[in-house]
Amino acid sequence: AQTVTQSQPEMSVQEAETVTLSCTYDTSENNYYLFWYKQPPSRQMILVIRQEAYKQQNATENRFSVNFQKAAKSFSLKISDSQLGDTAMYFCAFMKGTSYDKVIFGPGTSLSVIP
Amino acid sequence: GAGVSQSPSNKVTEKGKDVELRCDPISGHTALYWYRQSLGQGLEFLIYFQGNSAPDKSGLPSDRFSAERTGGSVSTLTIQRTQQEDSAVYLCASSLVAGHSYNEQFFGPGTRLTVL
Repeated sequence: AQTVTQSQPEMSVQEAETVTLSCTYDTSENNYYLFWYKQPPSRQMILVIRQEAYKQQNATENRFSVNFQKAAKSFSLKISDSQLGDTAMYFCAFMKGTSYDKVIFGPGTSLSVIP
Repeated sequence: GAGVSQSPSNKVTEKGKDVELRCDPISGHTALYWYRQSLGQGLEFLIYFQGNSAPDKSGLPSDRFSAERTGGSVSTLTIQRTQQEDSAVYLCASSLVAGHSYNEQFFGPGTRLTVL
């Protein structure tokens, strides 16, 4: 069975600063996807960034980037130039490498961006 | 086009009553997923559909929970004889199934269920 762990229940960062959210996972699969989702108070789950396990290059999306360490089963999210709108719950998640399957979520990290 | 919609947005019910939660996926999406998010928790998978069939029901917590999907579109999650521990936000997601590559799951806004 796959598991996803996020060891930081809450974090805060000053506006315009950089913050890193941690995630580790456990799987015996070799082909899989990893995700970071954002859930603001509106409850709408938004995909922030995706990483394919077979790709060595770390994914980036504007101010968001990941540090994917496959051997260590680590998948951290770095948010640069933090903005007030980044305040949300962030979930690390895993999915087997198929075209469709359930997503397994970590418990989440509540991020607050302080003005 | 419209995103995934869910109704009702909020539902308050009394312990022991049955409830039905509805999900309208994005048009053309053949895969549909139900997740549950308890207070302060991550999302817990319940069931998913490919078309009208449910290949994976492993996440349904008890036989009081059931789901169906008709016409390859709308899905209904039914909880019978609700208990207080059923209180949670129920999220629905849908995705295309095209080829063998990843297909993003798009989430609805959820239904907040409160069992008194």
